[in-house]
Amino acid sequence: DVVMTQTPVSLSVSLGGQTSISCRSSQSLVHSDGNTYLYWYLQKPGQSPQLLIYKVSNRFSGVPDRFSGSGSGTDFTLKISRVEPEDLGVYYCYQGTHYPNTFGAGTKLELK
Amino acid sequence: EVQLQQSGPEVGRPGSSVKISCKASGYTFTDYVMNWVKQSPGQGLEWIGWIDPEYGSTDYAEKFKKKATLTADTSSNTAYIQLSSLTSEDTATYFCARRGSFDYWGQGVMVTVSS
Repeated sequence: DVVMTQTPVSLSVSLGGQTSISCRSSQSLVHSDGNTYLYWYLQKPGQSPQLLIYKVSNRFSGVPDRFSGSGSGTDFTLKISRVEPEDLGVYYCYQGTHYPNTFGAGTKLELK
Repeated sequence: EVQLQQSGPEVGRPGSSVKISCKASGYTFTDYVMNWVKQSPGQGLEWIGWIDPEYGSTDYAEKFKKKATLTADTSSNTAYIQLSSLTSEDTATYFCARRGSFDYWGQGVMVTVSS
């Protein structure tokens, strides 16, 4: 199985600040169809996960432009700028390129 | 508005089965696969599998092939997951999520295995 390694495990950030989360895969996530099926989700406390970024760098409908995704191959990054209280929770990366699909272990974003 | 409404919490005895539902609305049910995801208490997320409601075809992660059965009823726009031979390791929250991108999620169903 493809292992998705997220760092750091937890993150403290000040409101209005900027931060980033890394996600590394044990294999390249480039699919034979040319797409890279790497996604980012945020799970707020007590809620279901919600899609933020699809296919590396595309923001899902309604997601603020404070969130941006980048990367290629095996190394990916989620950047969050101008952090707001609603951004707190656990962030997961996920790969849908290789069977079985796998999630990272999560990065908890907390207030400093 | 796309909505995935899941059934209520379940308690199952060890060795028994439970079946939980996910009712879709706000889109054409047969247009997209439905995924299922497991979240054990205080843990991360695991992909269980998906079902294509139009054809009934399924795919499962290897570790769930003998545990989970995915079905769908197009007449009621509802997807189901049945979990069999319950053990304490099945105690978790189970989510349905639409499409390969998991763009919309149900609210989750807590399944507790207890004698």
